[in-house]
Amino acid sequence: NAGVMQNPRHLVRRRGQEARLRCSPMKGHSHVYWYRQLPEEGLKFMVYLQKENIIDESGMPKERFSAEFPKEGPSILRIQQVVRGDSAAYFCASSPLHAGNTGELFFGEGSRLTVL
Amino acid sequence: DQQVKQNSPSLSVQEGRISILNCDYTNSMFDYFLWYKKYPAEGPTFLISISSIKDKNEDGRFTVFLNKSAKHLSLHIVPSQPGDSAVYFCAASGEGNKLVFGAGTILRVKS
Repeated sequence: NAGVMQNPRHLVRRRGQEARLRCSPMKGHSHVYWYRQLPEEGLKFMVYLQKENIIDESGMPKERFSAEFPKEGPSILRIQQVVRGDSAAYFCASSPLHAGNTGELFFGEGSRLTVL
Repeated sequence: DQQVKQNSPSLSVQEGRISILNCDYTNSMFDYFLWYKKYPAEGPTFLISISSIKDKNEDGRFTVFLNKSAKHLSLHIVPSQPGDSAVYFCAASGEGNKLVFGAGTILRVKS
């Protein structure tokens, strides 16, 4: 049973370009979360999605960032017109339909975005 | 607004001794508290959790204590091993399983 798969693991973009990060949740998991870790900081919640629905996007910057989790295929975090401050590790996590309210999330290995 | 705080950026412990990592929170509505361990260039992995209705949970060398009145929890690792060297994140679970993380504590276990 494969874990949460994220790709690419490393992504380099120039300022103004677009970055697309993909996440395939664990088999049987229908809840996806995106977190961002800036250098020397903890993980900050960005968005929580279920299939075809954004449940909570309270942590997403209002501009340039978007996320989706289509009926088929991986979840995608999209950052348009990247700036240097977007350089960070972006982690995806998933949980099963009913996680028993324990809050346990299963994390991928992260995608490290570097903006030149 | 830091709802979960880990005030010690780092901790150094001798192999075989006890490691104690601390965490404070402000939101009394959190249901569960979790500890995650993270190695460099890897994703966080779940270590141990505790329900808000309990005050202690033990799993092998790892024990988590919860003091609700003080809004404080701690992770005890005993005996500490060099392989325990990692970043430890305290997290709290609220609505929608959304986890709120602390900034992390770097644990170094010296052999």
